Amino acid sequence: GAVVSQHPSRVICKSGTSVKIECRSLDFQATTMFWYRQFPKQSLMLMATSNEGSKATYEQGVEKDKFLINHASLTLSTLTVASAHPEDSSFYICSARDPQAGGVGEQYFGPGTRLTVT
Amino acid sequence: GEDVEQSLFLSVREGDSSVINCTYTDSSSTYLYWYKQEPGAGLQLLTYIFSNMDMKQDQRLTVLLNKKDKHLSLRIADTQTGDSAIYFCAEKGTGGFKTIFGAGTRLFVKA
Repeated sequence: GAVVSQHPSRVICKSGTSVKIECRSLDFQATTMFWYRQFPKQSLMLMATSNEGSKATYEQGVEKDKFLINHASLTLSTLTVASAHPEDSSFYICSARDPQAGGVGEQYFGPGTRLTVT
Repeated sequence: GEDVEQSLFLSVREGDSSVINCTYTDSSSTYLYWYKQEPGAGLQLLTYIFSNMDMKQDQRLTVLLNKKDKHLSLRIADTQTGDSAIYFCAEKGTGGFKTIFGAGTRLFVKA
């Protein structure tokens, strides 16, 4: 099946620094990518939807100045957590949609990035 | 808005069947999914069912859909310790692009 990678898989940073997480679709062109956040023992919360070449659409309650999303190419989307604080510590998962696939399972998930802010 | 609910925890003995239940609210859902998440990993699509189907079987997995009651279940036959994971029920929302997830059911398989 299609593969989506994320980098880094784990990152520890100091409070106040910015962290960039990359999401790549490895064998298909993803016109749409999604960023999710998962708290321990909780479900995935959709943060934003990004379409290649246009601004991301953020879900209600997600600070767009805090979580900067760039979808510069059909295979790469980045999430930058600006001025990270301990409450931003979480598991961030990206997902990419393959428009060539059918309506079933065309959303492929990355392995996730665990962010710890100290 | 759309909502997906599922029980949070299930414990079974190895070799028994596991049944994980889910309810959803969006009557216009087109696809319903079951994802598996192992510790520290991303989500793996296990199986799916189209909304005009009642049942789908795929090896050890059986999905049942009661569209009238908006109830979805996943049955895992002959559950193994390797099946221990979190199972997420999800539905494709009315927007067509968004996938709405339940909170996940943690399946614990006792040897």
